[in-house]
Amino acid sequence: QVQLQESGPGLVKPSQTLSLTCTVSGGSISSGSYYWSWIRQPAGKGLEWIGRIYTSGSTNYNPSLKSRVTISVDTSKNQFSLKLSSVTAADTAVYYCARSPRGEGDPLFYWGQGTLVTVSS
Amino acid sequence: EIVMTQSPATLSVSPGERATLSCRASQSVSSNLAWYQQKPGQAPRLLIYGASTRATGIPARFSGSGSGTEFTLTISSLQSEDFAVYYCQQSKTFGGGTKVEIK
Repeated sequence: QVQLQESGPGLVKPSQTLSLTCTVSGGSISSGSYYWSWIRQPAGKGLEWIGRIYTSGSTNYNPSLKSRVTISVDTSKNQFSLKLSSVTAADTAVYYCARSPRGEGDPLFYWGQGTLVTVSS
Repeated sequence: EIVMTQSPATLSVSPGERATLSCRASQSVSSNLAWYQQKPGQAPRLLIYGASTRATGIPARFSGSGSGTEFTLTISSLQSEDFAVYYCQQSKTFGGGTKVEIK
């Protein structure tokens, strides 16, 4: 059973870079045909797709965030990471990592529990 | 960029009744659509993928239908644990969600 767990600072100052890591257990991040994704959810609002990295290393980003987002993989640690630069209060949200197989609209079968990141000075 | 629109925003239903949720895509997505359930303080849970295939462990009272641009999630007889927010998703886009509340 695949499990994902987000980790990182819960508080980030405005204009700084938000950095989160998703640790994957129960399977290798480098095997199979999967997307490893980041999704966020501001309090009381809906889900926003941030971006994803494929097993091959290729990435896709939300156009509205593309200039500030970097997603990368560390296969030695079975982790993938999110970096979001120049954050503002609007980036305050619960951040989820998730995995989907490639195809059929890329449904997100496995999710982390989510981690709250607050942007505040 | 595909836009997913869900309706209604809120659905008030009595326990035991049927709930019908809609999701519309701005262009055809074939059958490449998923539905999720989210309860307060929890991560979303995959209910349906491929428009109509239930994920493992999902009760039969949840069913999905549709193709192209129009999709429906039906909960045949609402149980207390089904009151939640439901999202549709196609690849990189989520709908805005439908909250199913107790009438």
